Amino acid sequence: EAGVAQSPRYKIIEKRQSVAFWCNPISGHATLYWYQQILGQGPKLLIQFQNNGVVDDSQLPKDRFSAERLKGVDSTLKIQPAKLEDSAVYLCASSDGRGAAFFGQGTRLTVV
Amino acid sequence: QQQVKQSPQSLIVQKGGIPIINCAYENTAFDYFPWYQQFPGKGPALLIAIRPDVSEKKEGRFTISFNKSAKQFSLHIMDSQPGDSATYFCAASWASNTGKLIFGQGTTLQVKP
Repeated sequence: EAGVAQSPRYKIIEKRQSVAFWCNPISGHATLYWYQQILGQGPKLLIQFQNNGVVDDSQLPKDRFSAERLKGVDSTLKIQPAKLEDSAVYLCASSDGRGAAFFGQGTRLTVV
Repeated sequence: QQQVKQSPQSLIVQKGGIPIINCAYENTAFDYFPWYQQFPGKGPALLIAIRPDVSEKKEGRFTISFNKSAKQFSLHIMDSQPGDSATYFCAASWASNTGKLIFGQGTTLQVKP
């Protein structure tokens, strides 16, 4: 079965610009997560979707970050405007609700 | 109370050695404890997971030991190989929501040939 797909793999932007990341979860997985992994740290949950509804966005910096999951499948995470401290790997994960979560390869964002 | 503390930060062992990575948690509501392995440029991949009703779980060369009263758990890698060189993360979560993970800080393991 295909894994979690993410694009782009790498992105370099200047501070105050906007950027968007895309995720396609494993087919049939109703739950989708976005994590932020800063270099040298463990991933931190940003937002969780169940189908196309938000379950938990308590860690999402809502003044600059937004996410959506249209039709309960693909998801997009957006940052606008980006700050230097947003430089990180953004990981998407999905789960069928019974087993473990599977992660994509991530998008490495560099803000200069 | 949501933190998971992991040690050591880095570890170097010889091939065949048994690296041990330790984690501690505070929230007793956690009931799912996975370990993830991450190679450079890749996302974390589930290695092995345990629930608090057992004290030990083995899968191949990987073993989790779990001490519920101490709120600690550890990963042992038997007969370690250079291919095991990676970053290992412990995590804590809930059996009802296994993807909502609280990760430790990570341990970078190097296995020398």
